[in-house]
Amino acid sequence: DTAVSQTPKYLVTQMGNDKSIKCEQNLGHDTMYWYKQDSKKFLKIMFSYNNKELIINETVPNRFSPKSPDKAHLNLHINSLELGDSAVYFCASSPPGRRETQYFGPGTRLLVL
Amino acid sequence: QQQVKQSPQSLIVQKGGISIINCAYENTAFDYFPWYQQFPGKGPALLIAIRPDVSEKKEGRFTISFNKSAKQFSLHIMDSQPGDSATYFCAASLRSGPGALNFGKGTSLLVTP
Repeated sequence: DTAVSQTPKYLVTQMGNDKSIKCEQNLGHDTMYWYKQDSKKFLKIMFSYNNKELIINETVPNRFSPKSPDKAHLNLHINSLELGDSAVYFCASSPPGRRETQYFGPGTRLLVL
Repeated sequence: QQQVKQSPQSLIVQKGGISIINCAYENTAFDYFPWYQQFPGKGPALLIAIRPDVSEKKEGRFTISFNKSAKQFSLHIMDSQPGDSATYFCAASLRSGPGALNFGKGTSLLVTP
């Protein structure tokens, strides 16, 4: 199936741990994003990569570090997890020349205990 | 700073009725206004979008009305069905920009049988 996929779907971990979330798209898109959806369902952009180049880097703690090994993959590594990091993290991608048209993955539900 | 304001926060409509969700934006440079639909446990899905050079766009039972002078746009769902029950997000972005979607806070729609 053509889609944006994320792993894992659920992540439960202790404060202070380090974790990674992975995203892959097989849509042939060249731009990928990370959004955070908080407990009130508010969606906010975190990062964006275009062809492996970081183009959006919002005000996010430097404990969050994105990496894009190629234009089909975007990972998010989080160091020293805090309670406030609990949220749903969505990956999205957009086709060449149409960054405004974004397709979202199913989300990764992170719970920090 | 909330760039897109959405109302109401929640909405209950009877089957067959019209659901109306409103959004207002601040940045007059925004030139792309999508609506996303999100079911519980799923990622947001692009529903319909409009550019500011038109005042209305219709796709099936979904219509966007756009008022550039008032910096407002709205989603109308005609003949609302129980299957339309979901959270709806409006957003705004710059087509020439890096692609960040600025989301409203969402409207939880419940369509009763």
